[in-house]
Amino acid sequence: NAGVMQNPRHLVRRRGQEARLRCSPMKGHSHVYWYRQLPEEGLKFMVYLQKENIIDESGMPKERFSAEFPKEGPSILRIQQVVRGDSAAYFCASSPPSSGRGLDTQYFGPGTRLTVL
Amino acid sequence: SQQGEEDPQALSIQEGENATMNCSYKTSINNLQWYRQNSGRGLVHLILIRSNEREKHSGRLRVTLDTSKKSSSLLITASRAADTASYFCATVTSGSRLTFGEGTQLTVNP
Repeated sequence: NAGVMQNPRHLVRRRGQEARLRCSPMKGHSHVYWYRQLPEEGLKFMVYLQKENIIDESGMPKERFSAEFPKEGPSILRIQQVVRGDSAAYFCASSPPSSGRGLDTQYFGPGTRLTVL
Repeated sequence: SQQGEEDPQALSIQEGENATMNCSYKTSINNLQWYRQNSGRGLVHLILIRSNEREKHSGRLRVTLDTSKKSSSLLITASRAADTASYFCATVTSGSRLTFGEGTQLTVNP
């Protein structure tokens, strides 16, 4: 059973370009979470999705950032018109359907390191 | 202040010694989880302790949870150089989002 997969592992963009980050959850997992980690800091929650639904996007910047988790295919975190402050590691995590909210372990992918020049 | 604050920020010990890291939080939680992150890598889940549990063991790891003090500790016994990493606690409050602390950087010297 493969773990959470993210690609690309490293992404370099120039200011103003778009960044698309992909996450394939573990098999059988229907919940996906995106977190951002700035250098020397802990992870900060961005968004929580289930298939075709955004459940909690309270951690997402209001502009330029969007996320989706379609019925088929990976979850996508999209950053439009990137700026230098977007440079960070972006981690995806997944968890199985839970019997109670917030009771399940989240399994993390290796992350995508975005560098904005 | 931030939910899930680790203490100390950095810890350096000799191989074979025990390492203790503490985590404090501010709101009621469903569970608390500890993760390890090697430099430049993803997070590895270590252990989850539910709000109605007080202590949990997994190999060389021992986690305690004191909900009255809103604190948790992670003890690594008989440390190894390979334990060198950053350790984060993360709390789950309402919903499923994890709230991470800033982490403790553990260095185990051979």
